[in-house]
Amino acid sequence: QKEVEQDPGPLSVPEGAIVSLNCTYSNSAFQYFMWYRQYSRKGPELLMYTYSSGNKEDGRFTAQVDKSSKYISLFIRDSQPSDSATYLCAIRDSGAGSYQLTFGKGTKLSVIP
Amino acid sequence: NAGVTQTPKFRILKIGQSMTLQCTQDMNHNYMYWYRQDPGMGLKLIYYSVGAGITDKGEVPNGYNVSRSTTEDFPLRLELAAPSQTSVYFCASSSGGGQPQHFGDGTRLSIL
Repeated sequence: QKEVEQDPGPLSVPEGAIVSLNCTYSNSAFQYFMWYRQYSRKGPELLMYTYSSGNKEDGRFTAQVDKSSKYISLFIRDSQPSDSATYLCAIRDSGAGSYQLTFGKGTKLSVIP
Repeated sequence: NAGVTQTPKFRILKIGQSMTLQCTQDMNHNYMYWYRQDPGMGLKLIYYSVGAGITDKGEVPNGYNVSRSTTEDFPLRLELAAPSQTSVYFCASSSGGGQPQHFGDGTRLSIL
């Protein structure tokens, strides 16, 4: 079983829709959760960073973590064409000497005007 | 505010050639990382560094070498290029081991 599973899509939605992106993970030691957005031919850009269960909101974006189910989500409200990109989840464990992020494969999102 | 800068942006190599991918950051971050991103495979860690003079292997280090002589720079060396090293390479940095990583825009490398 892979450590982080993410549906690669592609996902196509109309402008204004609510988008739900998800990752599941298998390692209970994972404690830090990130979402990155990657535009074509660009590097990943950090969107959200959280280390606790529950919701974290930033503008149109909400990150949700359910540690009991080992499930994380990113919701995008009022989606815009500029949100069209690949979204990567990234997870890190809680070990003091652990620096490695485990990435999902990314979900490609297209928001149609 | 440049952040993480990678050069070159594109490169084509022949099998057996060598090259160095350059990475520099202006955020005074101690931690730096090299990843490769293959289509449909996600990002894999090649090497990382926790400070000048200190480097360690990541998940996929074979065929690569790194050095870290300054806080700002973290070059990645390919000694004998192989087709399996065709990929997009990303450099990243962070202020601490548990802190979010900031990425450059990548080097697209093709080996023919």
